[in-house]
Amino acid sequence: GQQVMQIPQYQHVQEGEDFTTYCNSSTTLSNIQWYKQRPGGHPVFLIQLVKSGEVKKQKRLTFQFGEAKKNSSLHITATQTTDVGTYFCAGVYNFNKFYFGSGTKLNVKP
Amino acid sequence: DTGVSQNPRHKITKRGQNVTFRCDPISEHNRLYWYRQTLGQGPEFLTYFQNEAQLEKSRLLSDRFSAERPKGSFSTLEIQRTEQGDSAMYLCASSLRDTDQPQHFGDGTRLSIL
Repeated sequence: GQQVMQIPQYQHVQEGEDFTTYCNSSTTLSNIQWYKQRPGGHPVFLIQLVKSGEVKKQKRLTFQFGEAKKNSSLHITATQTTDVGTYFCAGVYNFNKFYFGSGTKLNVKP
Repeated sequence: DTGVSQNPRHKITKRGQNVTFRCDPISEHNRLYWYRQTLGQGPEFLTYFQNEAQLEKSRLLSDRFSAERPKGSFSTLEIQRTEQGDSAMYLCASSLRDTDQPQHFGDGTRLSIL
């Protein structure tokens, strides 16, 4: 069945270092969404990618969707303590079902 | 926009009891999703509604679980004969019609089975 794999599970960085999380699907996605969940909070939508090879930027965050629409990445440049949280990708199959990755928990040391 | 509201926030019950959770979505949102999330994992899809119609159910959703959205507004998720493995955070999310719309999550109901 459909499954979205996300790595790494944890990432500890020093403030100012970069961070990347990767998602991979065994089958082609319709689109992919990214969410951030702060400790004790609920997932909050960040962005959606739809087109093959799409790249979107939000300030220090860069999101990419692979050419085959099977993988995606989120890159944060020069992390800040406010970036702390768990980042999830959610793959959408057949414009119908959402499958969340297991998330990457980011810890930023000041 | 008052956001997605879920009640109760916490539920503690004994194994074998039935529990029911409520979700009030954002008013103009016609899609409503239920997820289950355990510690260290991402939200796991359970089911979703388009207005009052339940369009998809996960195979992981046993026959002890049932969800309703009778008038296309609020939704309830009932778990019958609860088991230890049902302990989790149950999240509700709503969105506008299409899957290219962001989902707005509630704060969830944390279920603990004694």
